[in-house]
Order: sequence, then C-alpha cells, then structure tokens
Amino acid sequence: DAGITQSPRHKVTETGTPVTLRCHQTENHRYMYWYRQDPGHGLRLIHYSYGVKDTDKGEVSDGYSVSRSKTEDFLLTLESATSSQTSVYFCANGRGAGELFFGEGSRLTVL
Amino acid sequence: AQSVTQPDIHITVSEGASLELRCNYSYGATPYLFWYVQSPGQGLQLLLKYFSGDTLVQGIKGFEAEFKRSQSSFNLRKPSVHWSDAAEYFCAVIPKATGNQFYFGTGTSLTVIP
Repeated sequence: DAGITQSPRHKVTETGTPVTLRCHQTENHRYMYWYRQDPGHGLRLIHYSYGVKDTDKGEVSDGYSVSRSKTEDFLLTLESATSSQTSVYFCANGRGAGELFFGEGSRLTVL
Repeated sequence: AQSVTQPDIHITVSEGASLELRCNYSYGATPYLFWYVQSPGQGLQLLLKYFSGDTLVQGIKGFEAEFKRSQSSFNLRKPSVHWSDAAEYFCAVIPKATGNQFYFGTGTSLTVIP
C-alpha cells in the first residue's frame, strides 16, 4: 500500500517557469499537507487542505499555490519558480490521532 | 516566539550504546508532541506521540520519550542503539490553538558507529 504517491519524484527546471507537483492518496483522508525540507530548517508547512476546495496557508506560503478538486489529489504549484524554491517537497495526509503519513518526496532543482 | 528546538544538529553513538535526543518547545499551553524518523531518501515515519496522561510513552523500534512539563521538554531515548537507527530524527508539535498544524524542529542527524 503506497498510501501517498508524489510526482514527479525529481525535476530540474529553470527560473521563471511554472512547476506543478502532484500528491495522490489512495485513501480518503480529509487533511493533506505540503511541506518543504531544507538543511537547517527541518520541515516547514507550505499549505494544507482540510477538504475539497478548502485550503489554507502555512508558514512559508509565498510563491506557492495549491488546489484540491478531488479528495485524493492535492496539487502544489510554483507559478514562477525561483532558485530559493530548490528543495525537497513532501506531501502528507493526516490519519487521525495526530499522525501524519508522508510520501517519499519530490526533489526540485531550480537553475 | 513559539518554537520547537532540537539543540543537537548531529549526534554520533556507538552501536549498543544508549541514546537521548533532546527536544524543547515554547508554547503557551503544552502542545501535542511527536517524534518522527526519516531514513535517507524516505519520508518521515511516526515513532511515538504524547497527548496526555503517562509522561513516559513507548513507541516503535524500541524508542521511548519522556514529557517533562517543568522543562518544556520531550526527549527521545533508546537503551541500546542499532546500526539501523542511523537516520534523521524530528521532534514535532501541534499547538492546541491551531488544531491540526504540525510544526517541526530542525532535526537531529544520528550516526551509529560499529
């Protein structure tokens, strides 16, 4: 049971191009999250969703947008990628009792 | 400012030795407390959590953590470390005021030497 699938797993792009990362869950968990992981910063919340079309900002949301048109999919979009957005991005869902289940991450490099 | 602090960036222990990873938090009310582990190239996995009650909680893989309100700490321990425990460890909280937002510490990288 993969639980959460992130795509693409690796992407190299150029500054100024749009990028969309996809998170797909096999179960219908209400809460889904996007985090970025950077050395020295741990994981920082970008956006989260508490239902279809219900999203909210996290602590580092500038330059990112999200959409959730279906329970199982949560998309993260960088409208115009910058080098500061080079990072590893993790999607997670909330499985009750305070537990997060994470995908394997998407490594994004912005040149 | 509200925060989760892991003072040790990197720790090296010998296989079979005991381990303690530190976590301190700064929130008005005691948040919900968690420890997660991340193996190289993987996502994070929940080790254990504390909501209330007994201040010593047991987790998976032989880990335990102790909540100390007076010290605002939630330190992770293991009596005897195995080489497979080498990973990155993250302390995390859910502040009771936010409901469902996790905040993570910066992580402690554990190296295990033979």
